[in-house]
Amino acid sequence: KNEVEQSPQNLTAQEEEFITINCSYSVGISALHWLQQHPGGGIVSLFMLSSGKKKHGRLIATINIQEKHSSLHITASHPRDSAVYICAARGQGAQKLVFGQGTRLTINP
Amino acid sequence: GAVVSQHPSRVICKSGTSVKIECRSLDFQATTMFWYRQFPKQSLMLMATSNEGSKATYEQGVEKDKFLINHASLTLSTLTVTSAHPEDSSFYICSATSPLAAYQETQYFGPGTRLLVL
Repeated sequence: KNEVEQSPQNLTAQEEEFITINCSYSVGISALHWLQQHPGGGIVSLFMLSSGKKKHGRLIATINIQEKHSSLHITASHPRDSAVYICAARGQGAQKLVFGQGTRLTINP
Repeated sequence: GAVVSQHPSRVICKSGTSVKIECRSLDFQATTMFWYRQFPKQSLMLMATSNEGSKATYEQGVEKDKFLINHASLTLSTLTVTSAHPEDSSFYICSATSPLAAYQETQYFGPGTRLLVL
């Protein structure tokens, strides 16, 4: 079992739908990252969370430390949101990230 | 936000040759840089962690003599794939981080380098 598990692995939705991607981890962490990777390969860091909730535009990320669970939400989804979304956990006292397997999101017009 | 560049973005080489990939932090000093490789439809796999001025720490199963990492300055790290073989063909990504409060220890990723070994 991976230390960081994401679900679903693939998600296809229609434009304007509300999207939720889940991430569970089994280790104590100092921070959890949500990343976005577009088909060209470039990776953008969306959020870094250690507690609570963060919002940026149509994106919302939440984390529940007690339950070792984080969610990424996209409101009013758009085809340009189509990408692979990756959660990555940084262990306590660690430098490196442990990655989930990614969620491939496709938003159809 | 902080910017990390990689050069080249794409390289094709013959089997047996060596290829150098550069990773630069453009507007901040990166005390730590990470090198990843990614195979199609798979997640990133950490190869090594590089701290400026010291030897890189390689992950289990990564040959340090094959993947030479140099982090000679706070803005530049290089990965050299020596005696490349077709199985080394992959997408190589670097990231950089700074402990400074302004950067909140976020990892900033480069755009990646696609290596094809013929």
